[in-house]
Amino acid sequence: GQSLEQPSEVTAVEGAIVQINCTYQTSGFYGLSWYQQHDGGAPTFLSYNALDGLEETGRFSSFLSRSDSYGYLLLQELQMKDSASYFCAVPPNAGNNRKLIWGLGTSLAVNP
Amino acid sequence: NAGVTQTPKFQVLKTGQSMTLQCAQDMNHEYMSWYRQDPGMGLRLIHYSVGAGITDQGEVPNGYNVSRSTTEDFPLRLLSAAPSQTSVYFCASSYRGGNTEAFFGQGTRLTVV
Repeated sequence: GQSLEQPSEVTAVEGAIVQINCTYQTSGFYGLSWYQQHDGGAPTFLSYNALDGLEETGRFSSFLSRSDSYGYLLLQELQMKDSASYFCAVPPNAGNNRKLIWGLGTSLAVNP
Repeated sequence: NAGVTQTPKFQVLKTGQSMTLQCAQDMNHEYMSWYRQDPGMGLRLIHYSVGAGITDQGEVPNGYNVSRSTTEDFPLRLLSAAPSQTSVYFCASSYRGGNTEAFFGQGTRLTVV
């Protein structure tokens, strides 16, 4: 079947760096996306990786290793406003590459 | 830019009642979807549409109907509300689904008593 695994909670302090991992199991691979969701808010798109390597967007970077079915989101220079849930998501298979299945989310708490 | 407009924000229903959650997007996106989000369960796909007149079921379609008569609108109908449908519902749209950037509505907090 198709599934994604990510840690349920991560805690860090302001100014630090944190890595949120995601491992996936799908039939075929059509890219890995990351979304951020603040409490009570809607998910917002952060990044997308189709190929191996690191994609950098400001303080946030996302990494993919297709051979390991693994990716991570790297948040640098953490700020209090980064406290949120982070979700990885992938299309499940070739016949359904327009849908997304989602991890259960990682709740990040940034402390002073 | 309105983006994705979802109404209502909050709703309380009695068991057995029906209602429609509205969703509209003004970005001319092909792909629209409805999710429910429960604590600890992440986002689960209810129904989705790849264009006007085309809809399909997601992971948890039972108890819900959708239609897509226009590109802009994708309403979700609860046929006979049950307490198990208490959840937060999100509508989303994207250019073509998959890993293209999805834009979400503000969500509907539904309580069924």
